[in-house]
Amino acid sequence: GQQVMQIPQYQHVQEGEDFTTYCNSSTTLSNIQWYKQRPGGHPVFLIQLVKSGEVKKQKRLTFQFGEAKKNSSLHITATQTTDVGTYFCAGRSNDYKLSFGAGTTVTVRA
Amino acid sequence: ETGVTQTPRHLVMGMTNKKSLKCEQHLGHNAMYWYKQSAKKPLELMFVYSLEERVENNSVPSRFSPECPNSSHLFLHLHTLQPEDSALYLCASSQDGLMGLSYGYTFGSGTRLTVV
Repeated sequence: GQQVMQIPQYQHVQEGEDFTTYCNSSTTLSNIQWYKQRPGGHPVFLIQLVKSGEVKKQKRLTFQFGEAKKNSSLHITATQTTDVGTYFCAGRSNDYKLSFGAGTTVTVRA
Repeated sequence: ETGVTQTPRHLVMGMTNKKSLKCEQHLGHNAMYWYKQSAKKPLELMFVYSLEERVENNSVPSRFSPECPNSSHLFLHLHTLQPEDSALYLCASSQDGLMGLSYGYTFGSGTRLTVV
């Protein structure tokens, strides 16, 4: 079955620095979604990417969908304490099932 | 408030108890889901209801029984659970488009279940 892998599992970032989390699928995806879950909270939808090579930005967050539609990345610039949480990617394959990655848990050092 | 309301927020139950989790969505979505979130594991899809019809059951143990009386309400009936079933149970809804594609899921705040 389809698997979605995320790396790294944990990301410890100095406030103000940039970091990237990566998502890789074993199969070609029709689209990919990203979610953020704050500690003690629930996943919140951030964005969906559909087109090969698509890049979308939300303020300091940049999302990219790979040309082969099998990988994606989330890049955060100038990390702030409000960025703390777990970021999940979720890939939808041609059978329309949405598979979540295990998430990247981000902590920020002030 | 996300538009998806789950009750109760916390639940402690014994292994011989029967309880139900409730989910209600106010977004007009046509699909609802139950997910299980355990520590250090990916979100696990348990059940999907699209247009009130269950379309998937990912080999979930029979001690979990879903019910979807209409497009706005979803229940998860629990009986004779095991301690390893302790987890955060999340309800989500989405608007399914053509060919099964959907937009982002809206999650409820979850029910933190502890089985003792």
